[in-house]
Amino acid sequence: EDQVTQSPEALRLQEGESSSLNCSYTVSGLRGLFWYRQDPGKGPEFLFTLYSAGEEKEKERLKATLTKKESFLHITAPKPEDSATYLCAVRGGGSEKLVFGKGTKLTVNP
Amino acid sequence: DAGVIQSPRHEVTEMGQEVTLRCKPISGHDYLFWYRQTMMRGLELLIYFNNNVPIDDSGMPEDRFSAKMPNASFSTLKIQPSEPRDSAVYFCASSFGGALNTQYFGPGTRLTVL
Repeated sequence: EDQVTQSPEALRLQEGESSSLNCSYTVSGLRGLFWYRQDPGKGPEFLFTLYSAGEEKEKERLKATLTKKESFLHITAPKPEDSATYLCAVRGGGSEKLVFGKGTKLTVNP
Repeated sequence: DAGVIQSPRHEVTEMGQEVTLRCKPISGHDYLFWYRQTMMRGLELLIYFNNNVPIDDSGMPEDRFSAKMPNASFSTLKIQPSEPRDSAVYFCASSFGGALNTQYFGPGTRLTVL
């Protein structure tokens, strides 16, 4: 059974203090690892898809990386508007379903 | 593009009542997904459709839940009878199938069963 574990559950940073969020996964035949951002009262918003170990993608202050067992979402010099819950999900072989982790709630204080 | 549309945004009902949640996917998308999100269990897939046909309903919790997709632009998730433990946020997502398949989520329906 596909599983995703995210850590930490919550993270508080000062504005400008860089850090990383972790997503560990077990999946049969990875066909994509997805990062989403979710703001309170809203649906998850797509950020990145990674398909193979060694792949990296960047968007503004965010960079996602992938190994065979985990993915990291690096946040460089965060701003208060980066505060949100970040969700990681995997798609395994033979299905279109995504299995989500429980997320990391990030708070960036000014 | 208007994105995925869900209605109602909030629903409060009493135990035993029937609840119907509605979803309009992004035009041109051929996959539609229903998820439920709770604090305890996170985001869980309930069922998904491809070209209006249910493909995997293994996440549907029990017979009280049913979902339909009568055409490419509309889907419903029905709970009958509703119970307090069904209280959650229900999300609909859609995608265009293929190697670069990405699911786009609607704003969700917050369901409270008293």
